[in-house]
Amino acid sequence: KNEVEQSPQNLTAQEGEFITINCSYSVGISALHWLQQHPGGGIVSLFMLSSGKKKHGRLIATINIQEKHSSLHITASHPRDSAVYICAVRPLNYGGSQGNLIFGKGTKLSVKP
Amino acid sequence: EPEVTQTPSHQVTQMGQEVILRCVPISNHLYFYWYRQILGQKVEFLVSFYNNEISEKSEIFDDQFSVERPDGSNFTLKIRSTKLEDSAMYFCASIWDSNTGELFFGEGSRLTVL
Repeated sequence: KNEVEQSPQNLTAQEGEFITINCSYSVGISALHWLQQHPGGGIVSLFMLSSGKKKHGRLIATINIQEKHSSLHITASHPRDSAVYICAVRPLNYGGSQGNLIFGKGTKLSVKP
Repeated sequence: EPEVTQTPSHQVTQMGQEVILRCVPISNHLYFYWYRQILGQKVEFLVSFYNNEISEKSEIFDDQFSVERPDGSNFTLKIRSTKLEDSAMYFCASIWDSNTGELFFGEGSRLTVL
């Protein structure tokens, strides 16, 4: 069965800390998404990766296709970063469009002031 | 900034009733999706829709579910006869370019089946 595993499940950090959230998956993929789910439930797409590294503001996402692993880093964390961060993958053997994804369970991040 | 809008934000219904959840995707997007998230669980893909037809669907998307785009702007998810286990948050999303585009999600519709 295709699986996406995230670690840690829960993470508490102090404001300003550097944060890393990890995602491992078990199958070949065409793309990996990092998503942010707000406390109210809404979901925002942060990154879509198929190789290498992407940066947006204080967020950095990396992927190692050979090791089937991705990381999301947050530099200089802030209480407003508190959310659930979700990794989702698009397996290679899925045809069609990007949205048919397998999701991880998410990492709940709390950043304390 | 363009956004995906969903209505209603919360619906309470009795078991066995039909429910329609509505989504207005971003206007120039071509691919549309529905996802489900049962409380405390991970998000699950339900269905994708392109060129006025279903392009992919998951095992969850059985005969009780249907989708349509009745008027070129709305994208609806219908559950014909709701069950208790249909209680969940339902998210709509859209994307312009399937290969490179960013997924845009709505805020979700919470369905409670009593």
